[in-house]
Amino acid sequence: SAVISQKPSRDICQRGTSLTIQCQVDSQVTMMFWYRQQPGQSLTLIATANQGSEATYESGFVIDKFPISRPNLTFSTLTVSNMSPEDSSIYLCSVESGGKSYEQYFGPGTRLTVT
Amino acid sequence: AQKITQTQPGMFVQEKEAVTLDCTYDTSDQSYGLFWYKQPSSGEMIFLIYQGSYDEQNATEGRYSLNFQKARKSANLVISASQLGDSAMYFCAMRGGGATNKLIFGTGTLLAVQP
Repeated sequence: SAVISQKPSRDICQRGTSLTIQCQVDSQVTMMFWYRQQPGQSLTLIATANQGSEATYESGFVIDKFPISRPNLTFSTLTVSNMSPEDSSIYLCSVESGGKSYEQYFGPGTRLTVT
Repeated sequence: AQKITQTQPGMFVQEKEAVTLDCTYDTSDQSYGLFWYKQPSSGEMIFLIYQGSYDEQNATEGRYSLNFQKARKSANLVISASQLGDSAMYFCAMRGGGATNKLIFGTGTLLAVQP
């Protein structure tokens, strides 16, 4: 299984500011995924990030609000822009293991609180 | 549209007993995958078990087994010999066919293991 790290693990931010979350994987992967989990809710996919192409955003998420970079096969960033209290969530990146089982592994998450 | 339904918001089980967490799904894809994840209070998402739609046998991983009933579109998680450390939120998820490989999650079941 892939080992995934995220930075920061948690942060408290002022409204109107931006935060960039980093996701690092210990092996090369084609697809990386960014999910949001609002308090007491399930996970919702924000976007899929492939190396060398623009991220693909899900309905309700836009690039201006959640710009994503994918400079290589082991790293990605998600920026939460112009934050409001409604952006307070856990943000998780995940990767697919490849092979037959298509297992997806998640990073430890970034717990964001916007005041 | 694909959908995952978990009808049990919360479950209690006595330590050392077995427990079944329910999951039903809806999809028009012929090829799909079903996952279970555990999320402790720390927030990380821990992969537990995977079942492919064409797998003839139910998946097992240690104390976890997946009761896959394709005709009923159900994929229940069975945890045998519950331990106090099993207390967590459990999410059922589905990966549909196609190139995106994104996961769609259910609303989760909060399991409490009692001594």
